[in-house]
Amino acid sequence: QKEVEQDPGPLSVPEGAIVSLNCTYSNSAFQYFMWYRQYSRKGPELLMYTYSSGNKEDGRFTAQVDKSSKYISLFIRDSQPSDSATYLCAMSERRGGADGLTFGKGTHLIIQP
Amino acid sequence: SQTIHQWPATLVQPVGSPLSLECTVEGTSNPNLYWYRQAAGRGLQLLFYSVGIGQISSEVPQNLSASRPQDRQFILSSKKLLLSDSGFYLCAWSRRGAFYGYTFGSGTRLTVV
Repeated sequence: QKEVEQDPGPLSVPEGAIVSLNCTYSNSAFQYFMWYRQYSRKGPELLMYTYSSGNKEDGRFTAQVDKSSKYISLFIRDSQPSDSATYLCAMSERRGGADGLTFGKGTHLIIQP
Repeated sequence: SQTIHQWPATLVQPVGSPLSLECTVEGTSNPNLYWYRQAAGRGLQLLFYSVGIGQISSEVPQNLSASRPQDRQFILSSKKLLLSDSGFYLCAWSRRGAFYGYTFGSGTRLTVV
């Protein structure tokens, strides 16, 4: 079983819809949970990070973590065409004083105008 | 504010040629530094990380090496490139101590021909 599983999509939704992106993981040592957005041929951009189980909201984005189920989600409300990108979940664990991130393969999201 | 610079943006190199990719961070001191590779369909793979000058940890044995000659400089090298070294290389940094996620550079797209 891979450490982090993420549906690659593509996921296509109409503008204004609520988008739900998900990842599952198997490593109980993961401490922080992140979502990155990556546009084509660009570096990933950090959207949100969380530590504990529960919800964290930032504007149109809500990150949800359920450590008991080893499941994380990102919800995007009022989706816009500019939200079209690849969304990567990532999880951290300490490795020799640094924070090694394990990434999902990313979900390609398309918002149709 | 902190910024991370990575160059070149694109590179086409023949098989067997050497490689040197450079990454520098501004606006912070003692960062943790990371090199990742992103190959199509395979997600982001951690290659090397560094917690200080001259301190390099390798995650995956391969044809590449990394060095950190200065606090905010991280270099990825190869003596002889292979076709399988093609990919999108990303440098990233994170703070020591409290974790606030990674900040990625804009990436280098390497094509070995």
